[in-house]
Amino acid sequence: GESVGLHLPTLSVQEGDNSIINCAYSNSASDYFIWYKQESGKGPQFIIDIRSNMDKRQGQRVTVLLNKTVKHLSLQIAATQPGDSAVYFCAENNDLASSGGGADGLTFGKGTHLIIQP
Amino acid sequence: GAVVSQHPSRVICKSGTSVKIECRSLDFQATTMFWYRQFPKQSLMLMATSNEGSKATYEQGVEKDKFLINHASLTLSTLTVTSAHPEDSSFYICSAGGASRETQYFGPGTRLLVL
Repeated sequence: GESVGLHLPTLSVQEGDNSIINCAYSNSASDYFIWYKQESGKGPQFIIDIRSNMDKRQGQRVTVLLNKTVKHLSLQIAATQPGDSAVYFCAENNDLASSGGGADGLTFGKGTHLIIQP
Repeated sequence: GAVVSQHPSRVICKSGTSVKIECRSLDFQATTMFWYRQFPKQSLMLMATSNEGSKATYEQGVEKDKFLINHASLTLSTLTVTSAHPEDSSFYICSAGGASRETQYFGPGTRLLVL
């Protein structure tokens, strides 16, 4: 079936620099996207989400960009800190899979391991 | 966000035995709970979706007779791995979903090692 994928498995960034993590999705019906952070041995932690009617959304030190034309999603982390070191996953779902508007099972991308170097 | 717990956090069992993993939503009533599996250095894969009081819906390739899911209340879902084998060793993660697509909260995961 269709899946969400990532371009880079590992990204090394100097502390204080900005980082950009990319994600390509193939399901054109996807209309809701989420970025998660996962530290070793822990469950995913919600970072930020975006619906397909938007192309940009900002949070605290994070920005998600959505380009529906090329089916591309990115997560920008500003002024990276040591605590940002983790694996980052994008995830998606779509209204066609929705069962009455509630939460749906998600399709996760392969993940990018972000390493913050001192 | 809401708090979701899993028990146990780690379990080691012998091949052929069954293991039960609990997922609880501590501060909200979860309409739906999801079970994911994550092998080392891989992504999360959705195994099944369970709604309180009804049968779980399994993803393609997931054996429903091997991974028994019970969702007896709005705050508790259990996953039982029956006749576990070493290839079932994995990180099992649940999530609890609310009334909207934006409300899905993940548990801390359960590490299963089958010897």
